[in-house]
Formats: sequence, structure tokens, C-alpha cells
Amino acid sequence: DSGVTQTPKHLITATGQRVTLRCSPRSGDLSVYWYQQSLDQGLQFLIQYYNGEERAKGNILERFSAQQFPDLHSELNLSSLELGDSALYFCASSKTASQETQYFGPGTRLLVL
Amino acid sequence: AQSVTQLGSHVSVSEGALVLLRCNYSSSVPPYLFWYVQYPNQGLQLLLKYTTGATLVKGINGFEAEFKKSETSFHLTKPSAHMSDAAEYFCAVSVGSGNTGKLIFGQGTTLQVKP
Repeated sequence: DSGVTQTPKHLITATGQRVTLRCSPRSGDLSVYWYQQSLDQGLQFLIQYYNGEERAKGNILERFSAQQFPDLHSELNLSSLELGDSALYFCASSKTASQETQYFGPGTRLLVL
Repeated sequence: AQSVTQLGSHVSVSEGALVLLRCNYSSSVPPYLFWYVQYPNQGLQLLLKYTTGATLVKGINGFEAEFKKSETSFHLTKPSAHMSDAAEYFCAVSVGSGNTGKLIFGQGTTLQVKP
């Protein structure tokens, strides 16, 4: 158990819908990262927050957005969902914003039908 | 730009045999390098990491990796494979600077261990 929690574990929805994925970092970690794992793209960095502020952005679609709240939990919002958004979404956390070990949650598996 | 290449999407070994998973990286700055393991239906677990200093890094479960700057490689090895080592393994590079630690991952290598 990494100490990072993600909810829900599984999500099934339809095209065009909007979903919210939630992540709670390890106690004491200020940085949260979101990654997407799919068969065709592999593991890709989406976005990073540090202590409530966006720190880095990767290949994140405009339909996707995220935020980190004062209690440091983070939410990833995916809207106007397409079939290709079906993937495993991981959250990871670390103490600082830079090159430290990231601890990964168990992931949320999203299926868009 | 940083990148990671894992040679071989599938590796099959017999139980007790040497495990060698290959990783080459590209980085314009001194890299931080990581190996993660993913068991079925689970998240990623850190096996080991290289930051600075000693180039031979020991990790959990008997794995180790050697950073070779001249070859831009960070191959993962284990002297004797166990059935429980069957999983997917990811090599990753941390994209420099103090502002972010975002990881760039390789495509992964699935390790099969035969009895």
C-alpha cells in the first residue's frame, strides 16, 4: 500500500459525458501528478500540482482539467468523453515538486462506451 | 527532450535464470532514473532509483541496475528469477530541473517467468 488513494476504482460511462477522478496523496506530500496509461500511448504524464498550484503540464487534452484543493487532494475532470479516453488513470504523490520518488495510487480504470 | 527506450516488449526467462531488462535513455541534463514494477490490476511500485553517486543501484526484491553514462543505459538485472517476478516493468527518467519531477516512461517490458 503506497498511501495514495484513488476513487473510484472503476468507472463506466458514455461518450459525451463528464467524470471526476479523485486522488488523496500520502500524508505530508505536497505534489500530485496525474498519468494516463493506455495500450496505444503507454504511460503518459498529464499534469502536476504542487501545494495547490499547477507546476507542469504534459500531453493533457483541453477537455481535461485538474485542480488541487487546500487539503491537498486533487481531482481530474474529464469532459466530452470519447472512446479513446478509455484508459487507466494514475495519481502519484511526492513530498516536493522536483525529482523525488513518486508513490503511485492503484489507479482508476475508465471505460467509455 | 528526454526520452526512454525499453528494448523488448516481452522477455521470457526460466525460474532461477538471470533477468535482464534493457533501458536506454536520452537526456540533455544529468538524469534521475527509475525502475517501477506493475503487477496485474495494481499501481506502480518503485523498484529502485538512480540520482547521483554510486552507479550500481540496489533495489527491492533482489533487483539492481547500473547507470552507464557512456552507453546512456540503465539496465535492470536480477541473478535468479522467481515466479513472483512476473509483471510489467517500466523504466523512467525524471525531467530535470527543480520545478518539476514529471516522469517520462518507456513503453514497458512484460516479464514472463516459466517454471
